[in-house]
Parts: sequence; structure tokens; C-alpha cells
Amino acid sequence: DGGITQSPKYLFRKEGQNVTLSCEQNLNHDAMYWYRQDPGQGLRLIYYSQIVNDFQKGDIAEGYSVSREKKESFPLTVTSAQKNPTAFYLCASSMRVEEGSGANVLTFGAGSRLTVL
Amino acid sequence: SQQGEEDPQALSIQEGENATMNCSYKTSINNLQWYRQNSGRGLVHLILIRSNEREKHSGRLRVTLDTSKKSSSLLITASRAADTASYFCATAFSGTYKYIFGTGTRLKVLA
Repeated sequence: DGGITQSPKYLFRKEGQNVTLSCEQNLNHDAMYWYRQDPGQGLRLIYYSQIVNDFQKGDIAEGYSVSREKKESFPLTVTSAQKNPTAFYLCASSMRVEEGSGANVLTFGAGSRLTVL
Repeated sequence: SQQGEEDPQALSIQEGENATMNCSYKTSINNLQWYRQNSGRGLVHLILIRSNEREKHSGRLRVTLDTSKKSSSLLITASRAADTASYFCATAFSGTYKYIFGTGTRLKVLA
């Protein structure tokens, strides 16, 4: 089955620790994204990557880092610099957006819930 | 904030009734999409409407788009308990990867 796999589903972290959330897709999508969701709020974009070895900051990139060494993988590291990391994190992917053609449909993973103790 | 706004924030209806939720956005767009999220899960794409379309149907879903008012509505007809979820609209500029999501409408369908 094609899809996006996020792991772990639940993660607990002590203050001051870095943690890495995994996101793997087998849809052959070029673009991948990380979103953060807080209770009662919509999704906010953290980082996105249009192609391997390239990524851009979203609206709330501070305290986060990513890498895109393989097309299938887009891990997110939540660093100790992120002041309020407790949230639900969603990874998504899409086909490459062609200039002038408009945005493509996003396929989401099941999410990872991070709690800071 | 560039986020869109859904209205109402929460909606509770009886099974069999229609559910209507609205989305307003702030910038010009190429298309608008609606997604559904069951509690604690990822989002699932429902329907996409392009800026040159005014209405689109998919099964029990009907979406309208008014670009002059920067608004869209999602109608779910003959609702079922399984429709209970949060619904989000998402917008993006042409050729951009930055999708802007609204704050969502929490729909509860009572059996």
C-alpha cells in the first residue's frame, strides 16, 4: 500500500532534549511538508521540501530542523530551542507543483504526538 | 496571520440533516481544498475547487467558491454519524507549496 508513515506515534521528551520525528513515503512524491497542530487551531507550516537536498522554512521554523537526503524521507528534529514543543505533528507529501498549474493535493501521515514533561 | 477562518467553529446536528460550514481566506488563490480529520488522526483530502469554478460536487459533498468574497462553503447532505470529524479548508497560490489551512469546523453528527 502506498502512503506516508510517521513514527513514533507518541513521544515524550524531557526539557532540554532534542527529538527526531520520522516521516517516510512510498508515493514517489517530490514534495514533503511538516505541519504543527495545536488544540483548537489549524495547521501551521514548519518546513517544506520541493526536492531532494532542498528545503525551505515555513511560518514557524524556529526551534526546528529538517533534512532531505532521500526522496522518501523527511525527518523533523525538534530542538531544545523550541520553547513550546508539545503538539501534534503532521507530515504530508504531494506531487511536484508545476509553475502556473496550482497546488496539488496533500497526502498526510497519521501524525506524531509529542509531549514535553 | 494568513490563516483562513472556518465558521462555525463547532456544529452539532442530527443524523440525516445537512451540514454547512464556511471558509474565508485573505489572499488571491489558485484553488481551494477541503480536508477532513478524525480525532487524533491525519487529514484526508475531500475535494478541490479551482478559482475559475463556482461549484463542485462529489458524492454527498457540495463545495461552492466565491472569489469576489474570498469565501467557500462545504455542504454535507444527509449526514451520518461517521461524518463526525473536523473539517479544514486549505488555500494556496498558483505554483506555490505554501498551503494555508483554516482553523477548522468540528462537526458532530448525533445518531
